Amino acid sequence: KNEVEQSPQNLTAQEGEFITINCSYSVGISALHWLQQHPGGGIVSLFMLSSGKKKHGRLIATINIQEKHSSLHITASHPRDSAVYICAPMAGNQFYFGTGTSLTVIP
Amino acid sequence: DAGVIQSPRHEVTEMGQEVTLRCKPISGHDYLFWYRQTMMRGLELLIYFNNNVPIDDSGMPEDRFSAKMPNASFSTLKIQPSEPRDSAVYFCASRTTLAGHTIYFGEGSWLTVV
Repeated sequence: KNEVEQSPQNLTAQEGEFITINCSYSVGISALHWLQQHPGGGIVSLFMLSSGKKKHGRLIATINIQEKHSSLHITASHPRDSAVYICAPMAGNQFYFGTGTSLTVIP
Repeated sequence: DAGVIQSPRHEVTEMGQEVTLRCKPISGHDYLFWYRQTMMRGLELLIYFNNNVPIDDSGMPEDRFSAKMPNASFSTLKIQPSEPRDSAVYFCASRTTLAGHTIYFGEGSWLTVV
């Protein structure tokens, strides 16, 4: 049983496009992370949020605790945004990981 | 701060050999996590420590895996004997309750068992 569902699994976009990645989870959580992993690279936490919305540059993350849903948006996408994005809800000290969304942004 | 430091970055070893992965968490962080990432299963929690004490090791696949944290600045994950199915990327991560839930990952140790 998957506690975390991400969609889409793969996404190819043209540079400049607006991108949305969705995450639904079934567990009760205290917070949710959006993680970014570049090919062959480490993992970086982009956002940690427990309610509402956060913005960092071209990235926006939203969460609806009641609906158990979060979205990651990228405005004016760029080839350097190409990476795997992982939704990671957190309950206590336990992270539940989505399978990730592989994003490729074409110049 | 140097971030979470892992070593080795890459290791290729023969089946049956002992493998030791090392991690230095960010100074002052009281939680340390070991994760494994594979194509098939994604990221999985293996074990985590709080103040150097193992709290949850239910993710450790079997007795061949062991982890220690002898002090606040060092942890090891050992596989003995290693098997080809242990090939994966092993991530160490740390966080502090003083800074909320933000977690910091190391660069990962890429293990290949042949």
